[in-house]
Amino acid sequence: ILNVEQSPQSLHVQEGDSTNFTCSFPSSNFYALHWYRWETAKSPEALFVMTLNGDEKKKGRISATLNTKEGYSYLYIKGSQPEDSATYLCAFTSGGYQKVTFGTGTKLQVIP
Amino acid sequence: DTGVSQDPRHKITKRGQNVTFRCDPISEHNRLYWYRQTLGQGPEFLTYFQNEAQLEKSRLLSDRFSAERPKGSFSTLEIQRTEQGDSAMYLCASSLVLVFGNEQFFGPGTRLTVL
Repeated sequence: ILNVEQSPQSLHVQEGDSTNFTCSFPSSNFYALHWYRWETAKSPEALFVMTLNGDEKKKGRISATLNTKEGYSYLYIKGSQPEDSATYLCAFTSGGYQKVTFGTGTKLQVIP
Repeated sequence: DTGVSQDPRHKITKRGQNVTFRCDPISEHNRLYWYRQTLGQGPEFLTYFQNEAQLEKSRLLSDRFSAERPKGSFSTLEIQRTEQGDSAMYLCASSLVLVFGNEQFFGPGTRLTVL
């Protein structure tokens, strides 16, 4: 069983604050790391897919980094807005059959 | 194609009844996944198909659960003799495995409540 862990489990930040979360995953047999954003009552929506060690991706105020050698990825949100409130999931895909294992998510609440 | 669809969106059933859910993936996608999500948890892998072949089934999945993808297009997930612990959101996702990163696209889910 692959261990994909996310921290913190939840956090509350004030509007305008910047924040970051961590996803840790096995450092062997790596294929890809995805970040998803999951709003209540909606489907998870892909934010980033990263496959190379050192990858950095950015979409607006959200960015992510990847370290496959040590098995972690960070997701950063700059200047949090209330609409950023959601659960952020990371998903590790292993090589071979490309099995996907999700973390338990970080639930972010941005307080206006 | 409007994305992954799931039917029904909500299902309430009595303990001991059988239920079946359907997932229609994005048409050109060859991979189809089923997940279960309970309160406070991330999606938990149940099983996945590549075309019509079921490649893996979670060891956590009891024999009451079965999934099919008979023609490599839509898939069904059946739960026999439902138990209250089966109450959860059942998510389906599809992907095109040959595409960079194998990004999954999720359906809206079927929320099952077992009374």
